[in-house]
Parts: sequence; structure tokens; C-alpha cells
Amino acid sequence: SAVISQKPSRDICQRGTSLTIQCQVDSQVTMMFWYRQQPGQSLTLIATANQGSEATYESGFVIDKFPISRPNLTFSTLTVSNMSPEDSSIYLCSVEGSGRTDTQYFGPGTRLTVL
Amino acid sequence: SQKIEQNSEALNIQEGKTATLTCNYTNYSPAYLQWYRQDPGRGPVFLLLIRENEKEKRKERLKVTFDTTLKQSLFHITASQPADSATYLCALSGTASKLTFGTGTRLQVTL
Repeated sequence: SAVISQKPSRDICQRGTSLTIQCQVDSQVTMMFWYRQQPGQSLTLIATANQGSEATYESGFVIDKFPISRPNLTFSTLTVSNMSPEDSSIYLCSVEGSGRTDTQYFGPGTRLTVL
Repeated sequence: SQKIEQNSEALNIQEGKTATLTCNYTNYSPAYLQWYRQDPGRGPVFLLLIRENEKEKRKERLKVTFDTTLKQSLFHITASQPADSATYLCALSGTASKLTFGTGTRLQVTL
């Protein structure tokens, strides 16, 4: 299974600012995913990021608010823009596993608090 | 709309007993159903996957059943241990490699 790291692990930010979260994988992967997990809730998919193409966003999430970069097969960033307290959440990246079974491997998450 | 339900109440069981967690879904025809474990402050960890044409899958002390008629999966942990205490998430996927997660059930195994 892939080893995934995220930076930062946590941050406290002021309303109206932006934060960029990095996700690094120890092997090359085609598909990377970004999720949000609000306090006490399950995971909600924000977008799917394929290298060499624009990210595909889920309903309720837009590129202006959550721009994503995918410059190569081992790295991606998610930016949370113009933050409000409602953006306080854990943000997780994941990668697809081998085989065609949709298994995913997750990073440790970034805990974001917006004041 | 698609809905995946897991028991939101925490499940408390005694060490050595079998824990059984339930995942029900509606408006979905998944190709795969997966179970993940999530510890506080960590990302989910994949445990088991079962395909739509499979009834049961086992791995060590874990067993998953999948009933596509009832639209339900059961996840069993036999001989449970305090180290099994965590939140367990079921996730479904059909096409496009996207996973849809359930709400999760917190399991607490006591001595």
C-alpha cells in the first residue's frame, strides 16, 4: 500500500485567509482524491485530481473555493480559499490502490480551525 | 438520493465477544462494498472489500457479508480486543472509482 503524508498536520487560520494543504505519495498514482470530514461526520468527497487534467469537483464544491493542483504523479495540493469558520474540518487526501477495486489509501489528514 | 446508513450509536461490547456492525444503503447498486477503520486523528485504513457477486469474505478475525437484496452488509469482529476500539466506516463504489462513505459506527471494546 502507498505511504501518504500531508502538510500541515494542523493549522489555525483567520477568517478570510487561504491555506494550501500538500499531499505527497511515495509512489506514482494516477488518481488522487480530496475529502472533507467535518466534526463528528463521515467523509465527503471534494474532488478527484488526475495528473495532467483539471480536477473534477463534486456537487457543492467549486474550484474558486477549493483550487487543486496536480503537477505530477506523486503530489497534489488543495487550497481552501477565503476561509470562514464553516470550513473548520479535517481535510484528507487519498490515492487509489492497485487493481480495479476502488480501494483507497488515506493520508493522516490536516485539521483546520478557522477563527 | 443515495444514502448509506450505519448505526450512529456507539457499540459497546466486552472483550472476547463478537462485534457486529451494520451498513444499510438505498438508491445504490454498488460494484464493491468496503470497510475501513478510523482511529481518532487519523485517516481511514482499508480493512476488507467484498464484490457485488460475493456473499461473504473473511480475513483473520474479520468477516464481511453482503446481501444485495436486502441492501445490507454486516461486519463482524470475532474475539474482540480493546485494540479493536475505533470507528468503522463502510464505503460503496459503483463506477468512476469514487467512494461514498457511511456515517460510521464507533466500537468500544472493554475488558
